Amino acid sequence: AQRVTQPEKLLSVFKGAPVELKCNYSYSGSPELFWYVQYSRQRLQLLLRHISRESIKGFTADLNKGETSFHLKKPFAQEEDSAMYYCALSGSIGGTSYGKLTFGQGTILTVHP
Amino acid sequence: KAGVTQTPRYLIKTRGQQVTLSCSPISGHRSVSWYQQTPGQGLQFLFEYFSETQRNKGNFPGRFSGRQFSNSRSEMNVSTLELGDSALYLCASSGWGEQYFGPGTRLTVT
Repeated sequence: AQRVTQPEKLLSVFKGAPVELKCNYSYSGSPELFWYVQYSRQRLQLLLRHISRESIKGFTADLNKGETSFHLKKPFAQEEDSAMYYCALSGSIGGTSYGKLTFGQGTILTVHP
Repeated sequence: KAGVTQTPRYLIKTRGQQVTLSCSPISGHRSVSWYQQTPGQGLQFLFEYFSETQRNKGNFPGRFSGRQFSNSRSEMNVSTLELGDSALYLCASSGWGEQYFGPGTRLTVT
């Protein structure tokens, strides 16, 4: 079974402060991890994918297989980062992700001015 | 490229009725997945279709079904609607292992 846990339902920080959104997963195979973001009144959109190892909008996330974690980090939060963030997992066989994402419950990030 | 589109955007149905939702994927994408989003359960996977075949299925009753056409457009059907089926239904099309979501169909069952 696959499971994704986001322990914080709400997270508040001030502008310019570092932010870390936690994500832990359980999966017996080779996982692919993603972070999705949903801004107010917008559709769910992909923020990061662990295999791309990119930094998007200043956010980074490292897959730690030993701790089964995929925490999302940004050194200096901005007000426009306020949104709902979802961590998601997809099973992967032979390097191909299947179209089944298991989502965490989401973390609402609020960045105060 | 045009994004994923879903129709209708809003729907109100009565308990016991059935409903069909439609999803048009991004051009070239052959995989379409469906999710149910509710405040209590969050985002839950319903099923995935690839090249007109159901490839994955979530833990939903048989009242929830879907299909995919040769042009990759997909429909999802819910029969004998229950009040608990009220939710936002999202579809996503996949390309290169990444899923792109539509705006959703808000279904209200009264």
